Amino acid sequence: GENVEQHPSTLSVQEGDSAVIKCTYSDSASNYFPWYKQELGKGPQLIIDIRSNVGEKKDQRIAVTLNKTAKHFSLHITETQPEDSAVYFCAARNNAGNMLTFGGGTRLMVKP
Amino acid sequence: DTGVSQNPRHKITKRGQNVTFRCDPISEHNRLYWYRQTLGQGPEFLTYFQNEAQLEKSRLLSDRFSAERPKGSFSTLEIQRTEQGDSAMYLCASSFALSTDTQYFGPGTRLTVL
Repeated sequence: GENVEQHPSTLSVQEGDSAVIKCTYSDSASNYFPWYKQELGKGPQLIIDIRSNVGEKKDQRIAVTLNKTAKHFSLHITETQPEDSAVYFCAARNNAGNMLTFGGGTRLMVKP
Repeated sequence: DTGVSQNPRHKITKRGQNVTFRCDPISEHNRLYWYRQTLGQGPEFLTYFQNEAQLEKSRLLSDRFSAERPKGSFSTLEIQRTEQGDSAMYLCASSFALSTDTQYFGPGTRLTVL
């Protein structure tokens, strides 16, 4: 089955700096890669996603890149703000099933 | 609020008791998913429904777990004879298969088994 690895597990940045979180996946058939933000006591909230026919996608301060050959994808947050502090999860899915396989999460702390 | 809702938000029970959780998906979403999340980990898939049919179940879903979606709308997840290892956050998500199929999550039910 699919295996998703996520790094780093914790990331501390100064407000205004950029943050990068990286994920690798094992199943070459995976074709959909969402990113979720989870705040304490809440469910995961989708922040951006990318499909395998696209190499990069941007939404304001957030961007995701995908390298299908290397089987890795990354989340980039620019101009970080204290409200970006949360746990971020990457995930992967293929057409064979509808389940998402999640990475272990990255705790992002943005210091004001 | 038209998001995914889950009830109860918290449940504390004694080992050996049965518990049932409810999930109400986003209106008109035909797919509904259950995930389990333990502290410090990512969510793990348990099972999913398309309309009222349960199409996939994880090996994590032991015989003590059963899920239903009788009318293709809300779903229930029951755990029988709870064990301390069942303590976790149980998350529900829904999606619309004929669109982007993006999964939107509810707030979760936190189960504590004493």
